[in-house]
Amino acid sequence: SQQGEEDPQALSIQEGENATMNCSYKTSINNLQWYRQNSGRGLVHLILIRSNEREKHSGRLRVTLDTSKKSSSLLITASRAADTASYFCATDPTGANSKLTFGKGITLSVRP
Amino acid sequence: DTEVTQTPKHLVMGMTNKKSLKCEQHMGHRAMYWYKQKAKKPPELMFVYSYEKLSINESVPSRFSPECPNSSLLNLHLHALQPEDSALYLCASSPGQGVDNEKLLFGSGTQLSVL
Repeated sequence: SQQGEEDPQALSIQEGENATMNCSYKTSINNLQWYRQNSGRGLVHLILIRSNEREKHSGRLRVTLDTSKKSSSLLITASRAADTASYFCATDPTGANSKLTFGKGITLSVRP
Repeated sequence: DTEVTQTPKHLVMGMTNKKSLKCEQHMGHRAMYWYKQKAKKPPELMFVYSYEKLSINESVPSRFSPECPNSSLLNLHLHALQPEDSALYLCASSPGQGVDNEKLLFGSGTQLSVL
């Protein structure tokens, strides 16, 4: 069953603008991760935030996590055409034999 | 070497064929994964190997048969597939322990078409 649910499902912005993507999940987690996928390619790990962290930065990426609301956001600042891709949040649930579960994904288009 | 290498990149097969997908990593990762991804959908976990032992099988049909010959290699043997099995098959690995244990490193995938 789907754990993470991203919104919006699709986002189109102008180059230079910021892009914000949200992810909601249902159960307790050890961590939440964001991945990027260019069309027909493998996924690339972007950033991981643990359940005891509230905010994390990596280059132009900023991730927040609110465990009380079971939600996370990914902010990409000063977007570039090369950021055009699908973005997935993935949750690592607590509990034995847990496995990373991906959300449905967000399609981001950055117009030059 | 910091990559997961998958071969072939593209594969077309008939429903009576037998073929294999291969995955290789040389980072000393002890966990390896097979995912299936249909167009515009998220990856779906199929199998997980941990320390060369099958630890998770997500009720995958027996026409898909995984194999982990050693800690660097992961195969997916295909037999008598159906057209609905056409998808992008992704291999991934993770350290299996220690720092960054949970981060998956994906290969570029094999785009499979079953005719």
